[in-house]
Amino acid sequence: GEDVEQSLFLSVREGDSSVINCTYTDSSSTYLYWYKQEPGAGLQLLTYIFSNMDMKQDQRLTVLLNKKDKHLSLRIADTQTGDSAIYFCAESTTSGTYKYIFGTGTRLKVLA
Amino acid sequence: KAGVTQTPRYLIKTRGQQVTLSCSPISGHRSVSWYQQTPGQGLQFLFEYFSETQRNKGNFPGRFSGRQFSNSRSEMNVSTLELGDSALYLCASSLESSGGTYNEQFFGPGTRLTVL
Repeated sequence: GEDVEQSLFLSVREGDSSVINCTYTDSSSTYLYWYKQEPGAGLQLLTYIFSNMDMKQDQRLTVLLNKKDKHLSLRIADTQTGDSAIYFCAESTTSGTYKYIFGTGTRLKVLA
Repeated sequence: KAGVTQTPRYLIKTRGQQVTLSCSPISGHRSVSWYQQTPGQGLQFLFEYFSETQRNKGNFPGRFSGRQFSNSRSEMNVSTLELGDSALYLCASSLESSGGTYNEQFFGPGTRLTVL
């Protein structure tokens, strides 16, 4: 079945880079996404990547996709305290019925 | 354009009761998905509705049900509440339910359900 996994916690110092990792199992995924959830709020889309791309950069965010290993990562450069949140990766897939599957979420804590 | 709205925002119920949560998607969005978020289990998919039909369903017991109306508004119902049903219930809407195109899900703020 489909499964998307992430490590639960990550702690970094302000100004450092953060790397959040995600692994997925469905090779028919078409788009992969990163969402951010701040305390008391719903999820918000940060960025996404099409499955035939290897990398996408958007200001401080860099997404790397290794389709062979089914591994997705989100790098946040110059991490700020305002980046403290839960980060979810997600995939949309066409295997059988269209599905949108979220990972377990990684809680990022930025230390001042 | 108004965002996804969920009502009520907070709810306290007792075991054995039932509850109905409501979600109004962004105007024009036809797909509505429901998720349960708990500290221990993370974000778990409940079900997705598209044009009034349930398209996908997660691994939840039959006590959890939902429906979608012709105006795309959706409700989810939980019967015979258990303590473990205490969670944040998130609703998300998207423009369509298709695998071939980029498809952002827009989330509401959630309904915090506490079961005593």
